[in-house]
Amino acid sequence: QKEVEQNSGPLSVPEGAIASLNCTYSDRGSQSFFWYRQYSGKSPELIMFIYSNGDKEDGRFTAQLNKASQYVSLLIRDSQPSDSATYLCAVHTGRRALTFGSGTRLQVQP
Amino acid sequence: DGGITQSPKYLFRKEGQNVTLSCEQNLNHDAMYWYRQDPGQGLRLIYYSQIVNDFQKGDIAEGYSVSREKKESFPLTVTSAQKNPTAFYLCASSQSRDSRLKAFFGQGTRLTVV
Repeated sequence: QKEVEQNSGPLSVPEGAIASLNCTYSDRGSQSFFWYRQYSGKSPELIMFIYSNGDKEDGRFTAQLNKASQYVSLLIRDSQPSDSATYLCAVHTGRRALTFGSGTRLQVQP
Repeated sequence: DGGITQSPKYLFRKEGQNVTLSCEQNLNHDAMYWYRQDPGQGLRLIYYSQIVNDFQKGDIAEGYSVSREKKESFPLTVTSAQKNPTAFYLCASSQSRDSRLKAFFGQGTRLTVV
């Protein structure tokens, strides 16, 4: 079992819809959770982080964390074509570096 | 501007050659990391360093070496022992006093074996 799992996609949504991206992790001791956006050929950019159970909102982005279910998600409201990218989930599993999932490719159709 | 600078952006290596990728940061971060990304895959940890003059192997350290002589710099050498080095290499840093490991990335180096 991978430490951090994501559906590779592509996840295709129409412009203006809500995109829902999901991530599960195996280490119950995980402490912090991050979402990075990566455009093709570019480096990852940190867009959201969450440390406690519940929701955290920042503009069009909402991160949701459920530690009991070992599940973290990212919602993107009013999706735009510019949101088309690969979204990487990263988890601080207690090691001294982040562990990344393989990413979900999001396509927003105009 | 504060940030993480990787150079070169593109690098070509001949078979049997060692090459060194540069990573410099002016964020005053204690911790630095090297990750490798293959097409369609996530990031895999090569090496990390929490403090000057100390570094630890990650999941795929074989065929790579690093040094951390200065807080600002964490160069990665890809040796001839690395059999499949063609990949996108990413350097990151974080403030190790921040136990939550909020990490930021440089722009990456794309290495190709010719």
